Amino acid sequence: DAGVTQSPTHLIKTRGQQVTLRCSPKSGHDTVSWYQQALGQGPQFIFQYYEEEERQRGNFPDRFSGHQFPNYSSELNVNALLLGDSALYLCASSLASRVYSNQPQHFGDGTRLSIL
Amino acid sequence: DAKTTQPPSMDCAEGRAANLPCNHSTISGNEYVYWYRQIHSQGPQYIIHGLKNNETNEMASLIITEDRKSSTLILPHATLRDTAVYYCIVSSDSWGKLQFGAGTQVVVTP
Repeated sequence: DAGVTQSPTHLIKTRGQQVTLRCSPKSGHDTVSWYQQALGQGPQFIFQYYEEEERQRGNFPDRFSGHQFPNYSSELNVNALLLGDSALYLCASSLASRVYSNQPQHFGDGTRLSIL
Repeated sequence: DAKTTQPPSMDCAEGRAANLPCNHSTISGNEYVYWYRQIHSQGPQYIIHGLKNNETNEMASLIITEDRKSSTLILPHATLRDTAVYYCIVSSDSWGKLQFGAGTQVVVTP
């Protein structure tokens, strides 16, 4: 049973460029959340996708956008990259179901994004 | 969602029990307590969660006080592989936003 997989594992970009990160949820999960983790800090919630729609959003600018596909996989897009966007980007998946309420989210190992 | 307070760091001897405290004095009645840990260069790993009663699984035990304002995660026999940052989170929406704090850096020493 594959867990949450993210690609690529590492990425180097320069300021002003655009980047796309990818996430495949754990088998059986239908919801994907994205988090940004700066060095030495806890993960910060970016947004969540369910049924191909953005369900919740954290305090991140519109440069951060996402998409969820019919197979539940997801992409995180960041435009006009800034030095401060350097971070570990984590994807978490879960099952949105009243029957399985309060079941935990499962995280991937993230994509390390470095901005030069 | 309620916020939590954890000590920034703890040391523990290998083979001994590690008791990690968490304060969540503003927790609401429908909010669960979740514990995750993050080993260096990996994503957060779910450990355990609970509402009112104490919980135990193969990884750890969770003790929640009767007033639910604090909890303790117990790693019964710490190993070197338990060295990680441990996060205590309270949330009423397990599949939604998780609000991480700074966590507790636990170092298990031989």
